[in-house]
Amino acid sequence: GAVVSQHPSWVICKSGTSVKIECRSLDFQATTMFWYRQFPKQSLMLMATSNEGSKATYEQGVEKDKFLINHASLTLSTLTVTSAHPEDSSFYICSAGGGWLAKNIQYFGAGTRLSVL
Amino acid sequence: GESVGLHLPTLSVQEGDNSIINCAYSNSASDYFIWYKQESGKGPQFIIDIRSNMDKRQGQRVTVLLNKTVKHLSLQIAATQPGDSAVYFCAEKPVYGNKLVFGAGTILRVKS
Repeated sequence: GAVVSQHPSWVICKSGTSVKIECRSLDFQATTMFWYRQFPKQSLMLMATSNEGSKATYEQGVEKDKFLINHASLTLSTLTVTSAHPEDSSFYICSAGGGWLAKNIQYFGAGTRLSVL
Repeated sequence: GESVGLHLPTLSVQEGDNSIINCAYSNSASDYFIWYKQESGKGPQFIIDIRSNMDKRQGQRVTVLLNKTVKHLSLQIAATQPGDSAVYFCAEKPVYGNKLVFGAGTILRVKS
């Protein structure tokens, strides 16, 4: 149980375009989803916390207009990187938690490698 | 601010030996601790967790020890295998809230 699916796993885009990343909890209802960014050989940096049906809570320093988060259902959250630039290139990872299966634990997706040319 | 840190950034062990990965945390109000394993290019994978009212928990080939007195967490891997090679993160969850605070990570390299 506790499977989180993240798509796409790898995306290359041109500077100025927008990219959408999907995160789905496949076998449980996640009341909360989290979006992280990870640079090479570094730890996970929390970008935002997303609760179903409400606006996401962004961490300090994260531009909410640049990283749009939608959490329309208990099993799906999306992260859209708007007008992407090379400095947005990174590894983005989502996690899901909450519900009876993941009360205290976050289960992670496989991550999305974003390369902006 | 609050942080979770690790003593050793890289740990090299011989295949078959036991591995011990350490983690120091600073938030005494945390009530839940988790170890994750992250292989290259993948998302973190849950290994084992422990509540703050426990001091030891065992899983399959893994044991987590919690010493609240010195705010120390460790992950023990028995009979380490090449497939155990990865980055290991400890994470803590404060009593209030659902965010996890991650440590810096320890690279585990298993030599055959």
